Amino acid sequence: ILNVEQSPQSLHVQEGDSTNFTCSFPSSNFYALHWYRWETAKSPEALFVMTLNGDEKKKGRISATLNTKEGYSYLYIKGSQPEDSATYLCAFYTNQGGKLIFGQGTELSVKP
Amino acid sequence: DTEVTQTPKHLVMGMTNKKSLKCEQHMGHRAMYWYKQKAKKPPELMFVYSYEKLSINESVPSRFSPECPNSSLLNLHLHALQPEDSALYLCASSQAYTYEQYFGPGTRLTVT
Repeated sequence: ILNVEQSPQSLHVQEGDSTNFTCSFPSSNFYALHWYRWETAKSPEALFVMTLNGDEKKKGRISATLNTKEGYSYLYIKGSQPEDSATYLCAFYTNQGGKLIFGQGTELSVKP
Repeated sequence: DTEVTQTPKHLVMGMTNKKSLKCEQHMGHRAMYWYKQKAKKPPELMFVYSYEKLSINESVPSRFSPECPNSSLLNLHLHALQPEDSALYLCASSQAYTYEQYFGPGTRLTVT
């Protein structure tokens, strides 16, 4: 059974804090790693798709890194804002075909 | 247009009813997905259509019947559901399988 683990499960920070979360996945048979942001009452929104070991992606204040050899990805948010409050999901594809496997998510709450 | 639309937003049905969920996208995406999401859990894949052909069925009970009439439209026909099928049903699409997915807002289904 392929497992994707995310930590922490939830995080409460103050506006302006920088934060990061972890996604761990099996390092064998890696194909791609996705990050999604899911705000309450909205649709999940793709943040990044990462495929190469050492990949670093950035979108505004949010960035992500990928280490396929050791099976982890970090998502960083610099200077968190209340509008960053959401659940952040990572998901992983193997090169054996099959489905996108989601982690349980990290629920971020940013207080003004 | 980067939107995936789903109708209805909410659906309440009895265990003997037949109903359908509809999903539409006009981004020219060739892969479309149905997910089931229960509270506090990540989305769970049900079906994948790739180029209008069913390519993945995650051992979903036959009371759920997907249909892809054309490249823009995806239906999920429901019949004789159980109360435990109550969940948020999300549709998604992507340019091709394994690419970033665009999600619709979901249909909140309650089976009474």
